[in-house]
Amino acid sequence: DAMVIQNPRYQVTQFGKPVTLSCSQTLNHNVMYWYQQKSSQAPKLLFHYYDKDFNNEADTPDNFQSRRPNTSFCFLDIRSPGLGDAAMYLCATSREGGEPQHFGDGTRLSIL
Amino acid sequence: SQQGEEDPQALSIQEGENATMNCSYKTSINNLQWYRQNSGRGLVHLILIRSNEREKHSGRLRVTLDTSKKSSSLLITASRAADTASYFCATEDNFGNEKLTFGTGTRLTIIP
Repeated sequence: DAMVIQNPRYQVTQFGKPVTLSCSQTLNHNVMYWYQQKSSQAPKLLFHYYDKDFNNEADTPDNFQSRRPNTSFCFLDIRSPGLGDAAMYLCATSREGGEPQHFGDGTRLSIL
Repeated sequence: SQQGEEDPQALSIQEGENATMNCSYKTSINNLQWYRQNSGRGLVHLILIRSNEREKHSGRLRVTLDTSKKSSSLLITASRAADTASYFCATEDNFGNEKLTFGTGTRLTIIP
């Protein structure tokens, strides 16, 4: 089945130690999104790619970076994780901007 | 903040009853979407209603949209235990920025 896959489901890292989360899609969608979601809150958009065009949200910390090497894969890099970065990170795709988004099941990041 | 508001924040009803959730937003929109999120999982798209539509149905779901009041409602009829989840509205504004703005969510609990 076509889907959005996030690996790993759970990630533990140390304070300040770089970490990379990955997302892949088999939908061949143009747009890929990264969201941060904290407990009982709405997903917060960090950035998105339309094809290779990167779009950063104004309030996304510089600590967060992203790469999209090809249509299928997108990565979220957190350069120096702080305790406040512990959250669920959700990847989503859509065929075009504003259309229904297909979400992965997320990576829950813990910071020690 | 451009984030929408949902009301109520939490709702508990008996199985078989109807559940109604409301969403208010701030900008002019192209469409409004509703998503469900089960605990620890990604969001799942339920239904999309365009700005020129007033009501839409999908199975046990009924969505209304009032653009003059910048509000929408989601009605789930004949609720089931499996409907227990968080529900989010999301809007695509008409600024052409390829993204959705999510509401704060309603936590729905169906009591068997």
